[in-house]
Amino acid sequence: DIQMTQSPPSLSASLGETVSIECRASEDIYSNLAWYQQKSGKSPQLLIYYASSLQDGVPSRFSGSGSGTQYSLKISGMQPEDEGVYYCLQGSKYPLTFGSGTKLEIK
Amino acid sequence: QVTLKESGPGMLQPSKTLSLTCSFSGFSLSTSGMVVSWIRQPSGKSLEWLAAIDWDGDKYYNPSLKSRLTVSKDTSNTQVFLKITSVDIADTATYYCARRRPYGWYFDFWGPGTMVTVSS
Repeated sequence: DIQMTQSPPSLSASLGETVSIECRASEDIYSNLAWYQQKSGKSPQLLIYYASSLQDGVPSRFSGSGSGTQYSLKISGMQPEDEGVYYCLQGSKYPLTFGSGTKLEIK
Repeated sequence: QVTLKESGPGMLQPSKTLSLTCSFSGFSLSTSGMVVSWIRQPSGKSLEWLAAIDWDGDKYYNPSLKSRLTVSKDTSNTQVFLKITSVDIADTATYYCARRRPYGWYFDFWGPGTMVTVSS
């Protein structure tokens, strides 16, 4: 299985601050990476797919980058509604695997 | 409008078989490229992909659980089912079904989830 190592486990940011979350795959996943946001008690919501494509309706302050084994999600200007847990997902090989999550809070 | 909704027993005893149903609308699983997956999440933990079934009836399982999982769909292609045999406390989780983007691999629509507790 491809292991997805996500960091940091938690993050606290001020309003307007830029934050970054990283995911490292145990092997090359050829940009087959997606990012999800999950709010408390809700199902995950797709933010980014194919490493850098923004899902329809997602604010442009969210962006993704990376290639090979290293990927990152950036939020340019933290907003209150961005609080939640963020997960990466690799779709290069079955079984699909998720990162361990990053809990993002407002400072 | 694509929607999915999971249903299950809520609670069951160890060693029993868990049966889950995913009912969806806004798309048909008979359409080429369509795939529905099951994913679970223990409280406070990350997500685990379990199984998938595609428009052609092909099935895919997480090897870590494969011997206990069976995924199927109904003939109207509006429901997908998951059975997990010999459940134990470690199977306590919220279970989600999700649609995979047609001819993609990522999940673009998810159900709200159904919580399952395994307890004696």
